[in-house]
Amino acid sequence: GAGVSQSPSNKVTEKGKDVELRCDPISGHTALYWYRQSLGQGLEFLIYFQGNSAPDKSGLPSDRFSAERTGGSVSTLTIQRTQQEDSAVYLCASSLVRLAGTQYFGPGTRLLVL
Amino acid sequence: GENVEQHPSTLSVQEGDSAVIKCTYSDSASNYFPWYKQELGKRPQLIIDIRSNVGEKKDQRIAVTLNKTAKHFSLHITETQPEDSAVYFCAASIEGNKLVFGAGTILRVKS
Repeated sequence: GAGVSQSPSNKVTEKGKDVELRCDPISGHTALYWYRQSLGQGLEFLIYFQGNSAPDKSGLPSDRFSAERTGGSVSTLTIQRTQQEDSAVYLCASSLVRLAGTQYFGPGTRLLVL
Repeated sequence: GENVEQHPSTLSVQEGDSAVIKCTYSDSASNYFPWYKQELGKRPQLIIDIRSNVGEKKDQRIAVTLNKTAKHFSLHITETQPEDSAVYFCAASIEGNKLVFGAGTILRVKS
């Protein structure tokens, strides 16, 4: 079946502009995660959605970052007033099992802020 | 909060040799430990995982061991091949359904 998809695959923007990144999880997966991966680095947790519960926003680095998940499916990560340090790959993952389920990753969006 | 440490940061082995990557975690409540492989420019892919009710799991050339008392787990790759070259990440579960990732190990298999 279809895996996790993300769009756009690449995004180049100017400092100060807002960007929106989209994630389509695997159908039926109730949990959705956003991570940030800087060049040559590990995976930094950003935000987690589980069903209808309030999202866990504990990983968001600043109030310029926000995310929504509409209808329990598609999610959008928004970065306002982008800075050069926001340049990274933004990965989305989804999982099925409520407790400690396997996370399946999307291909990521490569964001470059000039 | 949970802290996952991964060693070594880089590992070079000769084709056919074994490779071992080790991770330690701090939260005794962690009960799920996956390993991901990430090739250059690609997404992380799950290669094997283990839950806290078992001590070892094997899948062909890949195995994972878990020592809950010592709070460490390891990835073992036998008969390494050039296509095993990638970055490997360990992770440990926290708060039920979140993962904390290690910093990654760059594995190079020399032919």
